[in-house]
Amino acid sequence: NAGVMQNPRHLVRRRGQEARLRCSPVKGHSHVYWYRQLPEEGLKFMVYLQKENIIDESGMPKERFSAEFPKEGPSILRIQQVVRGDSAAYFCASSPVHSSGNTIYFGEGSWLTVV
Amino acid sequence: ELKVEQNPLFLSMQEGKNYTIYCNYSTTSDRLYWYRQDPGKSLESLFVLLSNGAVKQEGRLMASLDTKARLSTLHITAAVHDLSATYFCAVDTQGAQKLVFGQGTRLTINP
Repeated sequence: NAGVMQNPRHLVRRRGQEARLRCSPVKGHSHVYWYRQLPEEGLKFMVYLQKENIIDESGMPKERFSAEFPKEGPSILRIQQVVRGDSAAYFCASSPVHSSGNTIYFGEGSWLTVV
Repeated sequence: ELKVEQNPLFLSMQEGKNYTIYCNYSTTSDRLYWYRQDPGKSLESLFVLLSNGAVKQEGRLMASLDTKARLSTLHITAAVHDLSATYFCAVDTQGAQKLVFGQGTRLTINP
């Protein structure tokens, strides 16, 4: 069983460009979460999605950031018009439908560098 | 707002010694997680603690949870160099739907 797959692992973007990060959850998991980790800090929750629905986006900046988890295909975190402060590691995690105290599985992360 | 605080934030210790990392959180929690992160890598799950008094052990690491004190500890016994990493605790109050992480404890174990 493959774990949470994220790509790209490393992404360099110039200021003003768009960054698109993809996440394929563990097979059978329908809950996806995105977290951001700034250098030397802990992870911060951004958004929680189920298939075709955004459940909680309270941690996501109101502008330039969007996320989706379509019926088919991976979850996408999109950052428009990137700025230097967006440079961070973005982690996707997934959990099964009925999470009864089981671990949330994290992907390997996508490291975004804005130059 | 739920807050999670770890201490110490930095810990340098010698091989063979014992030490404890503390994780305090501010409101009632359903679950508490411990993760390990190596530089440039993802998070590796270590423990999930579900109830008051829970204690779990894996190798040289042991985690415990006191929900009344809102405190979890990660105890390292007879440390070895391979345990050098950053350790995070995280607390979940909404049924595994939103984790709040501590700042992390960067552990360095010297030979």
